[in-house]
Amino acid sequence: GDSVTQMEGPVTLSEEAFLTINCTYTATGYPSLFWYVQYPGEGLQLLLKATKADDKGSNKGFEATYRKETTSFHLEKGSVQVSDSAVYFCALSPYSSASKIIFGSGTRLSIRP
Amino acid sequence: GAVVSQHPSWVICKSGTSVKIECRSLDFQATTMFWYRQFPKQSLMLMATSNEGSKATYEQGVEKDKFLINHASLTLSTLTVTSAHPEDSSFYICSARADREADTQYFGPGTRLTVL
Repeated sequence: GDSVTQMEGPVTLSEEAFLTINCTYTATGYPSLFWYVQYPGEGLQLLLKATKADDKGSNKGFEATYRKETTSFHLEKGSVQVSDSAVYFCALSPYSSASKIIFGSGTRLSIRP
Repeated sequence: GAVVSQHPSWVICKSGTSVKIECRSLDFQATTMFWYRQFPKQSLMLMATSNEGSKATYEQGVEKDKFLINHASLTLSTLTVTSAHPEDSSFYICSARADREADTQYFGPGTRLTVL
């Protein structure tokens, strides 16, 4: 069945470092891909999404490109801030079911000042 | 922005009792809401899809008589864990799909259930 695999955390970086969180997926057809973020004490928020191959989603300095050839949707940011500390979830919505979201296990990111 | 609340944020109960968790969309209408369960260091797993005015659709392996879902209005869905047991202890998260934005789900902060 459809699934999402993302790198295990926790990931600890210094402020202004470059961030990559890897995410790969298994799915039939053409799923939509998402990154969600959960800040401490808050609900999940949609960070960015891409709905077809080669699309790039971006928001708040974060970017991810839908790579069908490598079935990947890696999250990147050029210069992280302390306020980016959170748990990041990669997710997909199967082509056959626009309502259903399948999540990865989440990656906890901590940024040191 | 769209806000979803859950109540309570945490609950501790004795084995054999029932617990109700509420999920509300505060500033938008949501015909469809979703209930997820998350175990420590694991993915969110979809339990069921809740549609206002109709029966919920449960994912394979989820006991519908164990996890009762009611979606009586466009802003409220409830999940009742009946005859709870320690293995039901988990983090329960709801989301709501705004009627005006069919491809986006807004998530609540979650409810931590501990069954003693």
